[in-house]
Amino acid sequence: DAMVIQNPRYQVTQFGKPVTLSCSQTLNHNVMYWYQQKSSQAPKLLFHYYDKDFNNEADTPDNFQSRRPNTSFCFLDIRSPGLGDAAMYLCATSNIWDTQYFGPGTRLTVL
Amino acid sequence: DQQVKQNSPSLSVQEGRISILNCDYTNSMFDYFLWYKKYPAEGPTFLISISSIKDKNEDGRFTVFLNKSAKHLSLHIVPSQPGDSAVYFCAASARSGGGADGLTFGKGTHLIIQP
Repeated sequence: DAMVIQNPRYQVTQFGKPVTLSCSQTLNHNVMYWYQQKSSQAPKLLFHYYDKDFNNEADTPDNFQSRRPNTSFCFLDIRSPGLGDAAMYLCATSNIWDTQYFGPGTRLTVL
Repeated sequence: DQQVKQNSPSLSVQEGRISILNCDYTNSMFDYFLWYKKYPAEGPTFLISISSIKDKNEDGRFTVFLNKSAKHLSLHIVPSQPGDSAVYFCAASARSGGGADGLTFGKGTHLIIQP
């Protein structure tokens, strides 16, 4: 089945210790997105890739970076996680202007 | 500044009755609207969408209504079933801006279907 896969599903890291979250897709979509969702809040777009073109939201902290080495994979790097970065991180994919399909998310805990 | 608002954090409806979930938006550039359904420990699943050139879109038990002048949309589920119990997110985008665009989400409404 075509899908969006996120690994790991649960990630625990220490304050200030870099962490990388992974997203892969078998849908061959040209756009990949990362959203952050804190408890009882709306998912918030961090950035997206349209093919290799990176688009950062204006209010995304510099602490968050992303890489897309190929069509299928996209990574979210948090360089120095703070307690406020604990959240669910959702990856989504779409063809341009088409419906976005979401992965199951990675729950990040920062100790 | 919340551009997409779902003012009811939760809604309880009896099985077989109609569920109506509401959503308001403030950004007049939004021209495409979607509803997603989310079960615990899963990602949001696309349910139904509507373009601003329409005022209604129907798919089986699900109908979305759009009132552009009021900047309001609603999702109707008829009849409601136990499997509909989930969190429902309203989302919007401004497609006419060109390029790929992310979605702006509301905070969600937790729908509980009572037997």
